[in-house]
Amino acid sequence: GNSVTQMEGPVTLSEEAFLTINCTYTATGYPSLFWYVQYPGEGLQLLLKATKADDKGSNKGFEATYRKETTSFHLEKGSVQVSDSAVYFCALSPYGNNRLAFGKGNQVVVIP
Amino acid sequence: DTGVSQNPRHKITKRGQNVTFRCDPISEHNRLYWYRQTLGQGPEFLTYFQNEAQLEKSRLLSDRFSAERPKGSFSTLEIQRTEQGDSAMYLCASSSIQGGNTEAFFGQGTRLTVV
Repeated sequence: GNSVTQMEGPVTLSEEAFLTINCTYTATGYPSLFWYVQYPGEGLQLLLKATKADDKGSNKGFEATYRKETTSFHLEKGSVQVSDSAVYFCALSPYGNNRLAFGKGNQVVVIP
Repeated sequence: DTGVSQNPRHKITKRGQNVTFRCDPISEHNRLYWYRQTLGQGPEFLTYFQNEAQLEKSRLLSDRFSAERPKGSFSTLEIQRTEQGDSAMYLCASSSIQGGNTEAFFGQGTRLTVV
């Protein structure tokens, strides 16, 4: 079946630090891959996406590259800000279907 | 259009009661999804509609759950005989299949607490 695995536990880091959140997936065919972000008190928002192998999604300084050979879609940002504090979810949708399978999410806390 | 709207935002109900939630999608979107999110977990797919047709239901959607989208616009999710295990955030999302777009837009959710 289709599933997404995110690294365990919250992530706490200082402002301007480098952020990496690992995401690996299992899927049949060629899924689209997404990162969603949930800020406190708000709904899920699409952060970035990639629809085929080797595509790089980017937005607001965040990047993730669709790696078919390692079935990964790790999220990175070079210099985080306090305003990046949120929960980040990796997700996939099977080819031709918007139905999403989510990882458990990672709480990111950026301290000044 | 202000995005996907869900009502109510919060619902507290006694065990055994029925509850109904409403979702108004983005107006030109023909696909509508329901998800459930429990504390510390990612959203889990429940069901989705294309226009008024319900195309897929998850095994998570027991017989006590029913969803409708009668005119292909808004949708309702009803839970009958609620149980404490139904306590969760219920999320609605919508998308358009035009042009192969795969982005889903989410509402802020309805938080259900069963006491």
